[in-house]
Amino acid sequence: EVQLVESGGGLVQPGRSLRLSCAASGFTFEDYAMHWVRQAPGKGLEWVSGVRWNGVNVGYADSVKGRFTISRDNAKNSLYLQMNSLRPEDTALYYCTKGRSTSPSDGMDVWGQGTTVTVSS
Amino acid sequence: QSVLTQPPSASGTPGQRVTISCSGSSSNIGDNYVYWFQQLPGTAPKLLIYRNYQRPSGVPDRFSGSKSGTSASLAISGLRSEDEADYYCAAWDDTLSGVIFGGGTKLTVL
Repeated sequence: EVQLVESGGGLVQPGRSLRLSCAASGFTFEDYAMHWVRQAPGKGLEWVSGVRWNGVNVGYADSVKGRFTISRDNAKNSLYLQMNSLRPEDTALYYCTKGRSTSPSDGMDVWGQGTTVTVSS
Repeated sequence: QSVLTQPPSASGTPGQRVTISCSGSSSNIGDNYVYWFQQLPGTAPKLLIYRNYQRPSGVPDRFSGSKSGTSASLAISGLRSEDEADYYCAAWDDTLSGVIFGGGTKLTVL
């Protein structure tokens, strides 16, 4: 069974950092692009960033560019999101999602349950 | 502000057919595949349609997708109470070099 389990969320003060992790299982991790998608409370879905199968990042949403860094470790079947200079508007449920193929433009098919990030003083 | 435009709400009665639209531009829907996700209350989104009209295994054929030019649609036939959820369209955007989502449509089964 394909499974994505996020961790690392929590309450953090504005300006501080947090690192999210996503543990993948049930598929050949290195064969697929991966993404982070977030959902602010009561709001819609927002793509944050994606990374190709080989670790080359696709890009970032304008709202996080320069502050967030996506990475992956294929040997550990893990995806990461380093979040720096956090702002209250980054408060959201962060989902790890599996791409449908090596190409990040081919959509996403499996979602984790998410990890909650709350940025507040 | 979402780059893909969806109606904020839709409704129908059990057994009815409902359509949800998704409007974009040449840099996203016009040149790339469209995906649809269903998000039931309190749960993670689930893939309903990929590559414009393809259904993952396990998704009932009551759900169908279509695309024409820079717009796409999700149709749900034989509406059931369990279809009450938020529905999102998504596509790759060549200008942004990223995935964009519609604002979501809340479907109510009356």
